[in-house]
Amino acid sequence: AQSVTQLDSHVSVSEGTPVLLRCNYSSSYSPSLFWYVQHPNKGLQLLLKYTSAATLVKGINGFEAEFKKSETSFHLTKPSAHMSDAAEYFCVVSLNLFGNEKLTFGTGTRLTIIP
Amino acid sequence: DAMVIQNPRYQVTQFGKPVTLSCSQTLNHNVMYWYQQKSSQAPKLLFHYYDKDFNNEADTPDNFQSRRPNTSFCFLDIRSPGLGDAAMYLCATSGGGGGTDTQYFGPGTRLTVL
Repeated sequence: AQSVTQLDSHVSVSEGTPVLLRCNYSSSYSPSLFWYVQHPNKGLQLLLKYTSAATLVKGINGFEAEFKKSETSFHLTKPSAHMSDAAEYFCVVSLNLFGNEKLTFGTGTRLTIIP
Repeated sequence: DAMVIQNPRYQVTQFGKPVTLSCSQTLNHNVMYWYQQKSSQAPKLLFHYYDKDFNNEADTPDNFQSRRPNTSFCFLDIRSPGLGDAAMYLCATSGGGGGTDTQYFGPGTRLTVL
C-alpha cells in the first residue's frame, strides 16, 4: 500500500521569498516520487521526480526536492517565489505494476504568491 | 514536439446525452490513462490501457467506457452523463517499459453537464 500526505492545503508567500511545500509518503516498496504542478484549467506538468538516485532532485523553474527516507518526506522548495508559480501542486507516489505506473496523488497544495 | 493532445478542451453536454472525449499522443507510449478530476480535488484514475489490454479501476462507474483503436488514440465515452460527472478529464501516457516511468498529461477536457 502507498499513500501521500500533503501537510498544507494552502500556502501563501510573498514574491521573492522562499517556497516550502511539504509532503510525507508511505510506501511498502522503494518509492518513486513526483511533484506535478497544475495551473488553472490546465493539465498537470511534471516538476521533478525521485527514482532512488540522488536524494536532492532538481526540477524545472528553479524547484527542487529532497528525499529523506528517515523522515519519509519529499518536500518541495524554491529559493525565490515568482508570480507565475501560483498554482496547485501535487505530490505523487508511484507503484509500478507489470510496467504500468499507478500514481497515488496527494490532495494538493494551492500556492498563492503575494505581490 | 511530442505531446499528449486532448479534444475538445471544453465540452458541454446535456443530462443523459452521450459524450465522447478524445486523446491522442505522439510519444508512441504503450500505456494510456484516463483520470477524472473534480473541482479542488486530486485526479482519480478511471482506467488505463497497456497496449490493448484494458484495466478498469474497481470503483469506476459502468457509465464510463473507453476505446483504444490504435497506439496513438484513446477515447472516453460517457454513456449517460449525470450532473455529478461534470469534471476535468485528464489523459496521460507512459512508456510502460518497466522501472520508473513518468506519466505525461494532456491539457484536459472540462466537461459541463446541463
